[in-house]
Amino acid sequence: KAGVTQTPRYLIKTRGQQVTLSCSPISGHRSVSWYQQTPGQGLQFLFEYFSETQRNKGNFPGRFSGRQFSNSRSEMNVSTLELGDSALYLCASSEGSSIGTEAFFGQGTRLTVV
Amino acid sequence: AQSVSQHNHHVILSEAASLELGCNYSYGGTVNLFWYVQYPGQHLQLLLKYFSGDPLVKGIKGFEAEFIKSKFSFNLRKPSVQWSDTAEYFCAVHMEYGNKLVFGAGTILRVKS
Repeated sequence: KAGVTQTPRYLIKTRGQQVTLSCSPISGHRSVSWYQQTPGQGLQFLFEYFSETQRNKGNFPGRFSGRQFSNSRSEMNVSTLELGDSALYLCASSEGSSIGTEAFFGQGTRLTVV
Repeated sequence: AQSVSQHNHHVILSEAASLELGCNYSYGGTVNLFWYVQYPGQHLQLLLKYFSGDPLVKGIKGFEAEFIKSKFSFNLRKPSVQWSDTAEYFCAVHMEYGNKLVFGAGTILRVKS
């Protein structure tokens, strides 16, 4: 089985712009979660989707949004980018209906805001 | 708020030394517990997991972890580390309430050869 695929791998954007990141989960996985990883902060949970519905949301401003399509692929969008949004954004997919089952991670998208 | 604490942010060991990385969480309900590892330049990979049963779980590459419910802890151990264990290690806890996976801040392990 192919793993979790995230595109693009690297992005450089300027402040005020918006960005869309994409995640293709492992075939058959219906749960997709997004995380922001920064040095010293670990992984901060952004949101989780299951069957096109957002089931859970972390403590991030409304500039961060996401969606999931019928084929389980997911996108996250960040509008009005700030310098502090520079981070590695990770997507994880799970087989079960609960994210308490094992999560498989993609390689991430490295976003740099200048 | 539910949280996960990893006691050490940086650990430096010589090869063949023993390793123990601490992980504590604050949540009184049912949990599933995980340790993930991120080798330099690679994606996060699962080392081991605990859902129920024997609180001593064994994972890949000789790692093991012990769940002590009374201490809300899930510490990672390895009797003898190798240079190739140099990586960042993350403890993660799935908390039933809110159905979310919460990660610790990570521990960077450097093994000197």
